Amino acid sequence: KAGVTQTPRYLIKTRGQQVTLSCSPISGHRSVSWYQQTPGQGLQFLFEYFSETQRNKGNFPGRFSGRQFSNSRSEMNVSTLELGDSALYLCASSMPGTVYGYTFGSGTRLTVV
Amino acid sequence: AQTVTQSQPEMSVQEAETVTLSCTYDTSESDYYLFWYKQPPSRQMILVIRQEAYKQQNATENRFSVNFQKAAKSFSLKISDSQLGDAAMYFCAYRSAVYGNKLVFGAGTILRVKS
Repeated sequence: KAGVTQTPRYLIKTRGQQVTLSCSPISGHRSVSWYQQTPGQGLQFLFEYFSETQRNKGNFPGRFSGRQFSNSRSEMNVSTLELGDSALYLCASSMPGTVYGYTFGSGTRLTVV
Repeated sequence: AQTVTQSQPEMSVQEAETVTLSCTYDTSESDYYLFWYKQPPSRQMILVIRQEAYKQQNATENRFSVNFQKAAKSFSLKISDSQLGDAAMYFCAYRSAVYGNKLVFGAGTILRVKS
């Protein structure tokens, strides 16, 4: 059974650019959540999508957005990148109706220069 | 808002020994879930153990067990017979049973295992 796949693994972008990260959940998982991990702020919840709808949103500026497709794959987009956006972005998927089944991907390491 | 506190930035344990990682949390909710996740250098977060707040019995998964004290809002992780492969960053996490499918994480504890 394939795990949660995040692409790309590494990314280097310049300030002011935008970036799109992708997350393919485990087959059958319809909920996808995104987290930002930095040394200073730790792990912070960005947003959650379920059946193509955003159900939850963390306390991040509007430059951070996401979407989910009908096959449950999700993308997150960060516009007008800032140096502080450098982080590991983790995606987690889960089965509907379960509170346990969070499976994380290996993340995308974004570096903004 | 819920908060999770891990007061030990780093811990060390000798191989085959036992170590306990601490976690406290703050919530006004009565129904919730608690988790311990492990993050090795590969970066992938791996679920170690989980606990439902309504269950009084402490969860156990092989060498991993928790001491869940609901009144004290404490949720510590005990690792018995520590192995080199246990070396990683460990995160305690909280999830509300009612309000949304999101995890609130502590700052993490780096666990070093000495051979």
